[in-house]
Amino acid sequence: KAGVTQTPRYLIKTRGQQVTLSCSPISGHRSVSWYQQTPGQGLQFLFEYFSETQRNKGNFPGRFSGRQFSNSRSEMNVSTLELGDSALYLCASSFPQEGELFFGEGSRLTVL
Amino acid sequence: QQQVKQSPQSLIVQKGGISIINCAYENTAFDYFPWYQQFPGKGPALLIAIRPDVSEKKEGRFTISFNKSAKQFSLHIMDSQPGDSATYFCAASMGGFQKLVFGTGTRLLVSP
Repeated sequence: KAGVTQTPRYLIKTRGQQVTLSCSPISGHRSVSWYQQTPGQGLQFLFEYFSETQRNKGNFPGRFSGRQFSNSRSEMNVSTLELGDSALYLCASSFPQEGELFFGEGSRLTVL
Repeated sequence: QQQVKQSPQSLIVQKGGISIINCAYENTAFDYFPWYQQFPGKGPALLIAIRPDVSEKKEGRFTISFNKSAKQFSLHIMDSQPGDSATYFCAASMGGFQKLVFGTGTRLLVSP
């Protein structure tokens, strides 16, 4: 079956702009989580959505937001981009009561 | 208290040898400890996971050893192969599976 699909795979933005990243989970998975991966901070949890509701949120500023649609697809948005937002943003889907997270290949954001 | 400390940062092992990666945590509320493997350009993939009521879990060449009293757990890769060359992340979570706290990662190189 198809894996987690993230779009776009690569993007370049300038400081102050905003960006929206998209994630299509594996069919049947209703839980979607987002992680930020950087060389300095490693993998950090951003938020988790289940049935269109945010269930958990990581320690990120309010510029980072997300949502989930009725078909379980999810988007995350970062407003007023800063240089430090340059990172690989990973989306993962899962069955909510099962441990395995299935990660996509990520969206690599570069902020200039 | 939310950190998971991982060592070593990098590891070189000869083909056929044993690779050992260690992690330590402080938060005794953590109740789920997975290991993820990540290849360049790919998202992390679940390798093996353990609950704190079990001291060891083995799946093929991969074994997790868990020491609850010491708040430590480790990954052993037996008969390491060049195809095992990747970055390995330990992680921990509490009360669910989606909000993972990741270790800083170990870059493993298995030399032929």
